[in-house]
Amino acid sequence: GQQLNQSPQSMFIQEGEDVSMNCTSSSIFNTWLWYKQEPGEGPVLLIALYKAGELTSNGRLTAQFGITRKDSFLNISASIPSDVGIYFCAGLNYGGSQGNLIFGKGTKLSVKP
Amino acid sequence: NAGVTQTPKFQVLKTGQSMTLQCAQDMNHEYMSWYRQDPGMGLRLIHYSVGAGITDQGEVPNGYNVSRSTTEDFPLRLLSAAPSQTSVYFCASSYSQGAFGYTFGSGTRLTVV
Repeated sequence: GQQLNQSPQSMFIQEGEDVSMNCTSSSIFNTWLWYKQEPGEGPVLLIALYKAGELTSNGRLTAQFGITRKDSFLNISASIPSDVGIYFCAGLNYGGSQGNLIFGKGTKLSVKP
Repeated sequence: NAGVTQTPKFQVLKTGQSMTLQCAQDMNHEYMSWYRQDPGMGLRLIHYSVGAGITDQGEVPNGYNVSRSTTEDFPLRLLSAAPSQTSVYFCASSYSQGAFGYTFGSGTRLTVV
């Protein structure tokens, strides 16, 4: 089946630093999504990307849909302690067995005040 | 404004026992799905449903059954629990398959001893 390779697996950063994580796939997706999961909760959608090359921001978060449709990255600027959590990329195609979210394994972010 | 409600939040089972994890949504979403989350593995799709009366298998369906008799409910059944089913289970819903912005429940943490 389709697999997403997400890196890095974990990050330990100082408050105020910028963060970058990425996701690659061996196959193309029509949509890339980025989720954040906090302890004891389900994932929450941060950003959705709908077409190749698209660059979208949500506050301090910026994500891009790669031109090849096989990759995406997420940047967080000026990190703060509440950014702590696990960030997941997810790919989505349309219809049938393809119409389900495929998740990366996550990037665990820790922020030191 | 309940969203997706999962019960119970925690459960301990003995090997061989059966149980049903409940999932209910009040958003009139047609698409519902079950994921399991294991350390370092991300979220993996177990089963999904595109509407009442329609279900299909995901990536890791063995040992689990589902049914969808109403739009609102999508229970996940473990017929004979095994230690390998120790995991955190998430239910998610969306207005249609392939639609963006899945809404996740807060999860059920299951331990099989």
